[in-house]
Amino acid sequence: GAVVSQHPSRVICKSGTSVKIECRSLDFQATTMFWYRQFPKQSLMLMATSNEGSKATYEQGVEKDKFLINHASLTLSTLTVTSAHPEDSSFYICSAVQGPGELFFGEGSRLTVL
Amino acid sequence: RKEVEQDPGPFNVPEGATVAFNCTYSNSASQSFFWYRQDCRKEPKLLMSVYSSGNEDGRFTAQLNRASQYISLLIRDSKLSDSATYLCVVNTGRRALTFGSGTRLQVQP
Repeated sequence: GAVVSQHPSRVICKSGTSVKIECRSLDFQATTMFWYRQFPKQSLMLMATSNEGSKATYEQGVEKDKFLINHASLTLSTLTVTSAHPEDSSFYICSAVQGPGELFFGEGSRLTVL
Repeated sequence: RKEVEQDPGPFNVPEGATVAFNCTYSNSASQSFFWYRQDCRKEPKLLMSVYSSGNEDGRFTAQLNRASQYISLLIRDSKLSDSATYLCVVNTGRRALTFGSGTRLQVQP
C-alpha cells in the first residue's frame, strides 16, 4: 500500500532556531499534501495545504512566514518552523492524497523547543 | 461552534463490553465521513469509512444520520487492544479533513 514517510520523528531544539520536517510519498506521486498540528489532548488542526509547484495555502491564524512550506517535487513537501519558540512545541503530521481521495498520514514529528 | 464535536471521554469499559461513540458535525454540505483511531503519540490510522446505509467491519459498526448531522461508532466485545482515541473525521469537500478532538477509550481487564 501507499506509504508516507516523515522525518525526523522527534526533534529537540533551542528557542530561536529553525527546524525542517520532511514529508515524502514513497510509492506514489502527491500533487497535494496537508500539514496538521496536534497539541496535547487536542484534535489535529489543519495548518496548510501544500501544492506541488505553487504556493501553499495556509489556514486562518497560521503564520506563513513562520511555517515555511515547500513542495518542490511530486514526492516531497517540507515544513520549516522558523525561529521556533516553546509554544511551537507540538506534534506535526503530514498527509497526502492518493487517487480518488484516500488519505495517508506520515508517522508524525514531535517538536520540542526548549 | 466546532465543526466536529465529540465527547472527549474517557470511556472506561470492561473487556467484552459494548461501547458507542457519537459525533456531530456542523456543515450540512459535508460529503464524507470517517472514524480514525489514534494511539498515544502516533499518527491517526483509518478505522472505517461511514456510509449513509451504515457499515460493519467485524466488531465495529458505523452509522451516519444526515438529517441530524451525527455519526456513530459501535464497538462490540471490546478488547484491551481497542484502547485508543477514536477520531471522528469529516470531509467538507476541500480534500483536507476536519478532525474531532477525539474520544478516549480505555478497556480494562
